[in-house]
Parts: sequence; structure tokens; C-alpha cells
Amino acid sequence: KQEVTQIPAALSVPEGENLVLNCSFTDSAIYNLQWFRQDPGKGLTSLLLIQSSQREQTSGRLNASLDKSSGRSTLYIAASQPGDSATYLCAVTGNYGQNFVFGPGTRLSVLP
Amino acid sequence: DAGITQSPRHKVTETGTPVTLRCHQTENHRYMYWYRQDPGHGLRLIHYSYGVKDTDKGEVSDGYSVSRSKTEDFLLTLESATSSQTSVYFCAIMGPRDTGGTEAFFGQGTRLTVV
Repeated sequence: KQEVTQIPAALSVPEGENLVLNCSFTDSAIYNLQWFRQDPGKGLTSLLLIQSSQREQTSGRLNASLDKSSGRSTLYIAASQPGDSATYLCAVTGNYGQNFVFGPGTRLSVLP
Repeated sequence: DAGITQSPRHKVTETGTPVTLRCHQTENHRYMYWYRQDPGHGLRLIHYSYGVKDTDKGEVSDGYSVSRSKTEDFLLTLESATSSQTSVYFCAIMGPRDTGGTEAFFGQGTRLTVV
């Protein structure tokens, strides 16, 4: 059974810092890994998707990497801003069409 | 943004009553999912669908049923609501991307309170 963990559970940083969020999964036979952002009381917003054949994806100040063999992904946020404050979740998908397993999330606070 | 809407957004119901939540998509994606999100448990899969009239159970399916009579609609029914089903319910869709892979999109959630 696939299990996904995220470290740290919570993180508080001053504005402007670069930071790294970690995601680990136990079964390396994944199809996709997707990072989401969730604001309080809101739904999940897709940030980045990495296919199993890819090593990284970038979108603006966000960069996500994937090391499938070691069961790890990192989300790098450059020059953090207060608007980045949210919970970040990673999810892995097995074969296409099967459900995705979520990590518990990292709650990020960026202080002005 | 992906076209996915949930209704209602908020609902309060009494213990023992049936409740139906609706998820509607305009993306024509084959796969649809219902999750619940609770503090300390994260997101847990209730049921999912891989096509019209094709559904399967997730890890927390007891007390829930689903139906999918059209590609665009996926209904979640609480047969007899209990207080333990007080939660935030999310619908998700998943489909192929033009650049490869499959990507998931979520609705805004339904906050259900069972009193």
C-alpha cells in the first residue's frame, strides 16, 4: 500500500527566503506526482505535475523535482512571499486512472 | 481553471437523513473521485468512477454510495447521515494533458455538518 509523508509538517519563514518542502513515498511504481496548494477553507489548486519519466518541472518561482528510485520529491519555492502562505500537499498516482494518494501536507507561513 | 463545480457548498442535516452531493464537470474527463478531508486524517478517498456506471470503492466507503449516469455528473449519497460524516467533501477529476501525463483538478468542496 502506497504511503506518502511530508516534512516538515509546518514551516514559518520570513519573507524573501528560499525554502524546500519534502515529499516521500514508499512505492516507487508511480505514474505521476502532483503538488497542490490549499488555502484555508478552499479547494486544492494544482501547482506542478511531474510524470514518472521526468526529473523536474518549473513554474515561475516554483520548482519541483522527482527522484523516483529513492521515493522522493521536493518543492522549491524561491523568494517566498506572504501570499505563498498555504498548505502544500503532494500526491502520487499509480497506474493511470487509479486514485492518487495524498501526503498530510506542509503548512507554510511566510511572515512579512 | 478546470470546469468542476460542487453543490451544495454548505449543508447542515440531521442524523439519519439521506444526503446527496453533486459534482459536475465540463471537461469530459473519464475519471471522477470523491474525497473527504478531516483534521488529522488528510484527504481520504471515498469512491471513484472510471466511466459512466463504472464505480469502485475507496478506503472509507462505508455509509456512502455513488452514481454516475452521465459523464459530467458524479453523485455521492450518504444513505443515513451520522455525525462521523461531518466533514469537507471534495470532488476531483483526472484526465490527460496535452503535454503528457494525467492531471487532477479539484472542486471547491462541500462543507457538511450532521447534527
